Order: sequence, then structure tokens, then C-alpha cells
Amino acid sequence: QVQMVESGGDLVKPGGFLRLTCTVSGLAFSEAYMSWVRQAPGKGLEWIAYMTPSGRNIYYAASLQGRLSISRDNAKKSLYLHMNSLTVEDTALYYCVGGLGSWYSGSWGQGTLVTVSS
Amino acid sequence: QPVVTQEPSLSVSPGGTVTLTCGVTSRSVSTSYNPSWFQQSPGQPPRTLIHSTNIRSSGVPDRFSGSILSPKAALTITGAQTDDDSHYYCLLYLGGGVWVFGGGTKLTVL
Repeated sequence: QVQMVESGGDLVKPGGFLRLTCTVSGLAFSEAYMSWVRQAPGKGLEWIAYMTPSGRNIYYAASLQGRLSISRDNAKKSLYLHMNSLTVEDTALYYCVGGLGSWYSGSWGQGTLVTVSS
Repeated sequence: QPVVTQEPSLSVSPGGTVTLTCGVTSRSVSTSYNPSWFQQSPGQPPRTLIHSTNIRSSGVPDRFSGSILSPKAALTITGAQTDDDSHYYCLLYLGGGVWVFGGGTKLTVL
């Protein structure tokens, strides 16, 4: 059974930064296509970052370009998200999503909550 | 950037059939957009129902089916059940490493 467990969500002040971790089990992580998706309270889903299994190809949502960095450690079966210059608009539940063949065909984690507030 | 559009809300009677659609402004959705569909119940993470137009994810009942009803992608629920009362989101690949979700459809089964 595939499990994706996100961690690192916290209360952060505007202008701060966050580092989220997604630990994956039950899946050949080194072959998995992975993304981060976020959901603001009461709002819809927003894709924000993507990485191929080798890490060779990385894409970011244009609206967040320059503030995001996605990375992975295949040996640790972990996916990471770094985000800086946080604003209140970054308050959201951040989901790790991934699968073999394509990220959108795979499994979702439970999410980790990031709250940006002074 | 193009906007991905969905009906904000739809309703269906138990046992009935309903089709949700997913379009993109100024374009016609085709299989190359790899349309995918996700279901989200209150307080739960989304789950993948359909990907790559019409491939059901493991464990998804066959009453859920995906297709292209030009110029949009479509999710059809045949024989709706009360458990299907949820939010549904579509996802399209717009090319150039850009994926965009639709705003979601709230489906009411009653």
C-alpha cells in the first residue's frame, strides 16, 4: 500500500520560509514522478511544482517561480519543497502527490498545513 | 495563462447519470491534455479517479468513466450513489511543463 506522509507545516511569519518533506513508502520512489499541490482554506486545488524520477526535469507554477525549490533524495525516499518570501496567500494545505508513469495517476498524502500570519 | 473551466455545481438523483465537463478558454481539449479527474470529500485529501482521459485508477468503481466530448473533457457517473456527493476537480496539461486544475464542481446527490 502506497503511503505519502507530509511534514514540516507550521505557523510562519510573512516574509519567512518553509521546508516541507514528503516521505514515501510502498512505491518504487526512484521511479516515481512527483508533484506538490496546495489547497487554500475553502478553495480549490493548485499544482505548484513537479519533478521527474531522476530530478533532471523540474517545473514550477509561473505564479510562484523564483520562490520555490523542489528536490528529492531517492535513497531516503523523500521529496522536499522549499518556499521563501511567504505571504498570507501561501496559507494552505500542501499535498505530496506521485506515481509511476505520471504524478497525477498516483497517490496523495494527507497534507501538511502551512499558516502564514503575523 | 488559459483558464480551466468546470461547472461550479451540479446535482443528480440517486441511480441517475451525470456528466461533469472540463474545458479550457480559447482551446479545444484533446487527449494530449491528459485530462485527469479527482474526487475530494469534506476533510479528506483528493483521490485520483481517472487519468490520461479514460484510465480508471485502482479501486475506482466502473460507474466512473472519462472521455472527450469535444471541445471538453468529461467525467460521467452512471448510477450515482450517495457516496458520490463530493467535490470533483479536473486537471489539464497545458504543455511546457504546466498543469492547471479546474475550479472544481460540487456534485450533490439527492
